[in-house]
Amino acid sequence: DAKTTQPNSMESNEEEPVHLPCNHSTISGTDYIHWYRQLPSQGPEYVIHGLTSNVNNRMASLAIAEDRKSSTLILHRATLRDAAVYYCILRVMEYGNKLVFGAGTILRVKS
Amino acid sequence: NAGVMQNPRHLVRRRGQEARLRCSPMKGHSHVYWYRQLPEEGLKFMVYLQKENIIDESGMPKERFSAEFPKEGPSILRIQQVVRGDSAAYFCASSLLANYGYTFGSGTRLTVV
Repeated sequence: DAKTTQPNSMESNEEEPVHLPCNHSTISGTDYIHWYRQLPSQGPEYVIHGLTSNVNNRMASLAIAEDRKSSTLILHRATLRDAAVYYCILRVMEYGNKLVFGAGTILRVKS
Repeated sequence: NAGVMQNPRHLVRRRGQEARLRCSPMKGHSHVYWYRQLPEEGLKFMVYLQKENIIDESGMPKERFSAEFPKEGPSILRIQQVVRGDSAAYFCASSLLANYGYTFGSGTRLTVV
């Protein structure tokens, strides 16, 4: 039970921003929101995580709704190398802090 | 810092043989996690180990599968008497502390013939 809902797939044009949505309506106060991505034939890669405030790093930005029931991963300028499966994951104590992966969103980037 | 190293990258075994998958965590990381990804499916948690201890094995099949993380050396995922259904990519991840982000290895792709 991944406790998050993401679209199955999205498509973007190269050099344009991408907003990947995630719903997590059952989130509790201590659950962190994590994003990982998996490029073809590779292991997952950490992207970003947050608790309440928006977060930025060199890869992406994470916008968290005020009620924390949803979040959006923002890639500011998509490149072909960003084509991957993006996983939105709640890090919950109930799971002993382990990451439970759902189906994720397949992001396709067109040149 | 070499990252999480898994070997072999590819492993072929005949039905009934044993498969041993090795994972060396990042330097300083004492938390190791194993995941399995069947073809065209998502990542499924198998086991969480912390130096010499199994913390959570809720995702491990009850038979034929075992994991260890000895005081010295890599973590080992062992599959005895492999069957065709064990064919999958097996990923290992490590973290510095239990609630830190994971660093994944490139995986071992097991093919059972």
